[in-house]
Amino acid sequence: EVQLVESGGGLVQPGGSLKLSCAASGFTFSGSAVHWVRQASGKGLEWVGRIRSKPNSYATAYAASVKGRFTISRDDSKNTAYLQMNSLKTEDTAVYYCTRWGANWGYDYWGQGTLVTVSS
Amino acid sequence: DIQMTQSPSSLSASVGDRVTITCQASQDISNYLNWYQQKPGKAPKLLIYDASNLETGVPSRFSGSGSGTDFTFTISSLQPEDIATYYCHQYDNLPFTFGPGTKVDIK
Repeated sequence: EVQLVESGGGLVQPGGSLKLSCAASGFTFSGSAVHWVRQASGKGLEWVGRIRSKPNSYATAYAASVKGRFTISRDDSKNTAYLQMNSLKTEDTAVYYCTRWGANWGYDYWGQGTLVTVSS
Repeated sequence: DIQMTQSPSSLSASVGDRVTITCQASQDISNYLNWYQQKPGKAPKLLIYDASNLETGVPSRFSGSGSGTDFTFTISSLQPEDIATYYCHQYDNLPFTFGPGTKVDIK
């Protein structure tokens, strides 16, 4: 069974940092791109960024709203992807989902989401 | 960035009704468009990929069509379990972008 499990969310002050993890199981993690998508309370989905697989040079890309502050990485030996968030702003408050970019060119599996709250 | 718009933003329909949602891209995205369903408190679920292909296990009452800039998502016979918000999503160009969503409920 394919599973993605996020962890690491919590309350952080503006300007602070947080690192989210996305632990994968049930599929060949090393062969898949992983994307992060966030959703503020009562709002729509916002693409945050992605990391491709090793054959694609682990290429990363980010939304303009997080570029320079957030970094996506992965450790294929641990079947885990990460989202390092620095210089956090109140507007980064959201549920953060990791999701697999599947063979059908869609997000076919999602984690349960982890809540990040940026507040003083 | 490619902007995605959806209409309507919300709708209310009766069980058994045909429901149609439109999605428009700010530039040609070919067929690089997916549709997702999100129920309250849950992660989104992929329903349609490449504009018109039904994801495995998704009921056949869901369908999608379109290419270029204009796309349509249809529920042929609305069921109570279809109450959710539906999002279109383009993956033609980075950054990937979602439409604002269409909330569907039962009249």
